[in-house]
Amino acid sequence: KAGVTQTPRYLIKTRGQQVTLSCSPISGHRSVSWYQQTPGQGLQFLFEYFSETQRNKGNFPGRFSGRQFSNSRSEMNVSTLELGDSALYLCASTPLSSYNEQFFGPGTRLTVL
Amino acid sequence: SQQGEEDPQALSIQEGENATMNCSYKTSINNLQWYRQNSGRGLVHLILIRSNEREKHSGRLRVTLDTSKKSSSLLITASRAADTASYFCATASLTTSGTYKYIFGTGTRLKVLA
Repeated sequence: KAGVTQTPRYLIKTRGQQVTLSCSPISGHRSVSWYQQTPGQGLQFLFEYFSETQRNKGNFPGRFSGRQFSNSRSEMNVSTLELGDSALYLCASTPLSSYNEQFFGPGTRLTVL
Repeated sequence: SQQGEEDPQALSIQEGENATMNCSYKTSINNLQWYRQNSGRGLVHLILIRSNEREKHSGRLRVTLDTSKKSSSLLITASRAADTASYFCATASLTTSGTYKYIFGTGTRLKVLA
């Protein structure tokens, strides 16, 4: 079974631009969560989607948004990028049968210049 | 804000020695999980312990949970160079909407010297 995939793996943007990151969960997984990881703040929860609906949301500004498609693939968007948005963005999917264990993708390394 | 605080922040040991990492949290939880992350990559799930369990084993891993002290520890026995990584605890708490909210700790960077 293929693991969680994230594209792109690396991205360089400039301040003010917007970016879209993609996540394909493990086949059969319906829940997708997004996290931001930075050296200073650690792993911060962004949001979780299940069956195309946002179920939980972390404490991030409205510039951060996401969505999930009918095939469970998810995208997150960051508009008006700031230098502080430079981070590793991790996506995790969860199977229905063992909800509590999360399977992580390799992440997208975003650098904002 | 981070719920899980891990201690120590960094740990350096010799191959063959045991490594112990601690995690403290603030609110009631449904379960606590430990993850490993190798150098800027994705996290790998190691072990899950439920709030009604006190100890769990998986291979060279031993996890304890003390809900009265809101703390957990991860012990890696007979460490190997391949165990070099960052280790994170994550708490799962049930929300009012019936879903689970995960909060990760700050992590412990483990270095195992050959």
